[in-house]
Amino acid sequence: AQSVAQPEDQVNVAEGNPLTVKCTYSVSGNPYLFWYVQYPNRGLQFLLKYITGDNLVKGSYGFEAEFNKSQTSFHLKKPSALVSDSALYFCAVRGPSGAGSYQLTFGKGTKLSVIP
Amino acid sequence: DAGVTQSPTHLIKTRGQQVTLRCSPKSGHDTVSWYQQALGQGPQFIFQYYEEEERQRGNFPDRFSGHQFPNYSSELNVNALLLGDSALYLCASRPRRDSAYQETQYFGPGTRLLVL
Repeated sequence: AQSVAQPEDQVNVAEGNPLTVKCTYSVSGNPYLFWYVQYPNRGLQFLLKYITGDNLVKGSYGFEAEFNKSQTSFHLKKPSALVSDSALYFCAVRGPSGAGSYQLTFGKGTKLSVIP
Repeated sequence: DAGVTQSPTHLIKTRGQQVTLRCSPKSGHDTVSWYQQALGQGPQFIFQYYEEEERQRGNFPDRFSGHQFPNYSSELNVNALLLGDSALYLCASRPRRDSAYQETQYFGPGTRLLVL
């Protein structure tokens, strides 16, 4: 069974400072990893994904994530936080291609608050 | 290009009733998945439809059923509603299999269901 852990329920960061939202995963085989963001009373917006290739993945709104296979981590990062980045962030994993593998398993989410 | 759309946006039902939620996938997408997001939790996979058939199912009882139509739109039906079914129900669609971006699921805004 696949699983995702987001160890921090909440992350507070000052505007302009770098931010990191942590994610670790467990899955059989090579992982497909995703980050989504959710604003209040809204659905999920896709930020970025890692399927294969470079370990550093760049996504929307200046976000990037680093895949670390040995540590089974996929932390979300941004060099300079904006107040508008304040939202709920979800990490998700999918197992490798094959029958019945398109299910996304999500972490519980991390609430990011960027303080002006 | 319209994204994933869902209706209704909000719904209030009483215990024991039945509910039908609707989803139209993003243009060019043929696979639809449904997720349940309880308050303060990450989304949980209910099931996925492709070519009008249920292809994969999460750990949800038979009270949860679905359907996919020839135009790829989908319905989620929940019978004998329980208080615990109160949640945000998210629909996600995925591009056709031969797309280079087939791995990314795009989410709709969700339907907020309250069971009293």
